Amino acid sequence: GAGVSQSPSNKVTEKGKDVELRCDPISGHTALYWYRQRLGQGLEFLIYFQGNSAPDKSGLPSDRFSAERTGESVSTLTIQRTQQEDSAVYLCASSLGLGQPGGNEQFFGPGTRLTVL
Amino acid sequence: KQEVTQIPAALSVPEGENLVLNCSFTDSAIYNLQWFRQDPGKGLTSLLLIQSSQREQTSGRLNASLDKSSGRSTLYIAASQPGDSATYLCAQSPGNTPLVFGKGTRLSVIA
Repeated sequence: GAGVSQSPSNKVTEKGKDVELRCDPISGHTALYWYRQRLGQGLEFLIYFQGNSAPDKSGLPSDRFSAERTGESVSTLTIQRTQQEDSAVYLCASSLGLGQPGGNEQFFGPGTRLTVL
Repeated sequence: KQEVTQIPAALSVPEGENLVLNCSFTDSAIYNLQWFRQDPGKGLTSLLLIQSSQREQTSGRLNASLDKSSGRSTLYIAASQPGDSATYLCAQSPGNTPLVFGKGTRLSVIA
C-alpha cells in the first residue's frame, strides 16, 4: 500500500526566499507530524496535527515557520525568508492517531532535503 | 524535558555476529518506544514498536526490549548481515505525541 510521500525530494533555494514542502500521509491516518534533521543532529519535532484539534506548534523554531493541514490529508510546511541554518532534511510522519490500536506507531516519508544557499 | 541517549554512536562488527544497541531515556513515564532504521539519504523505516505495557517485541532477527524502571531499551540483532548496515534510531513519546529521538547508532556490518 502507499506510504507517506513528500515533495519535492530536494529543494535548493536562495537565502531570503520562501519555500513550501508538502506531505501526503497514509490514507486514514489522523495524526501528522513534521520533524527536522540537520546534518549530524538528531531529529527535532516541529509541529503535530491530530484530527481537527488545534495543532501543537511547540517545536517550531521561529515565526518564519508555519504549517497547515487540510482536514486529515495533505499538509504543507512553509518556511519564509529562509536562512542558511534552515538547511536540513524535513521529515513528515503519520499515525493512525488517538484511540486506535497501535495508533501511535509513526510511519515516515522519505523527506525533503532543503539547501539554502 | 525527556532526553534519549544512544550508545554507542558507531559500531562496526563482522558479518554473523549478534549485537546489542542501547537506548536510555530520562523519564520513565513513556507511552511507547519505537526503533527505526535510517539508510543514508533516506527516510526512517519503523522496525519495532513497544507499548508501555509491553516488555519486548520481536520481528525476524530483531528483538527489542523495554525496561521502564531503569529507563532503558535494547535492540538485539541476531546473525548480522551487511544489509543491516544503517543508522538505528530509538525514539519515545509520553503519549500519542511527537517522538523524542536519540542521535542514533551507526552500524557497519563487514562481510
